[in-house]
Amino acid sequence: GAGVSQTPSNKVTEKGKYVELRCDPISGHTALYWYRQSLGQGPEFLIYFQGTGAADDSGLPNDRFFAVRPEGSVSTLKIQRTERGDSAVYLCASSLFPSGELFFGEGSRLTVL
Amino acid sequence: GQQVMQIPQYQHVQEGEDFTTYCNSSTTLSNIQWYKQRPGGHPVFLIQLVKSGEVKKQKRLTFQFGEAKKNSSLHITATQTTDVGTYFCAAYNFNKFYFGSGTKLNVKP
Repeated sequence: GAGVSQTPSNKVTEKGKYVELRCDPISGHTALYWYRQSLGQGPEFLIYFQGTGAADDSGLPNDRFFAVRPEGSVSTLKIQRTERGDSAVYLCASSLFPSGELFFGEGSRLTVL
Repeated sequence: GQQVMQIPQYQHVQEGEDFTTYCNSSTTLSNIQWYKQRPGGHPVFLIQLVKSGEVKKQKRLTFQFGEAKKNSSLHITATQTTDVGTYFCAAYNFNKFYFGSGTKLNVKP
């Protein structure tokens, strides 16, 4: 089937606005990760889901960031009151099991003006 | 928290030369993975190493996991222009992958 799908591919928003980024993982993959990648840096861990529950959200920078995965498949990353420092590529990855190969989506590039 | 150091940050080589990137962790790892990210693309899985001292080969690429499971290396023999990109190690511990900062490889034809 298809790989990991992320929408939107690009999002430009103004400081203070709310944004949602969506990730549709590979069917059957129970593990889902969100990472953030700034230019010239490696992916930075945000949150990990095993099934429907957030098994580890220790990477979320602050309480403006929240993510859900209500049915154990699609996940949405929500950012409130966006700041210019939130600008980055947000990568979603899924895996058949927690320590297995990560399959990344193309990412959502967020630009906060 | 978990720290994964990767060196060098950049490497410029002439086509046909060899290339090596190193990854070091402050703690013992469950496993380590390597990814390649082409310019403008997303990370793509290359290999996973699990056992102490493990060595795996993929054509011109050789991957090693240290005896203490705290370091790893990726060696490319006789680089080609298709090897251009950024190579990341990703250390698995405490239910998540910690990525290194990557080594950006440029290959001059």
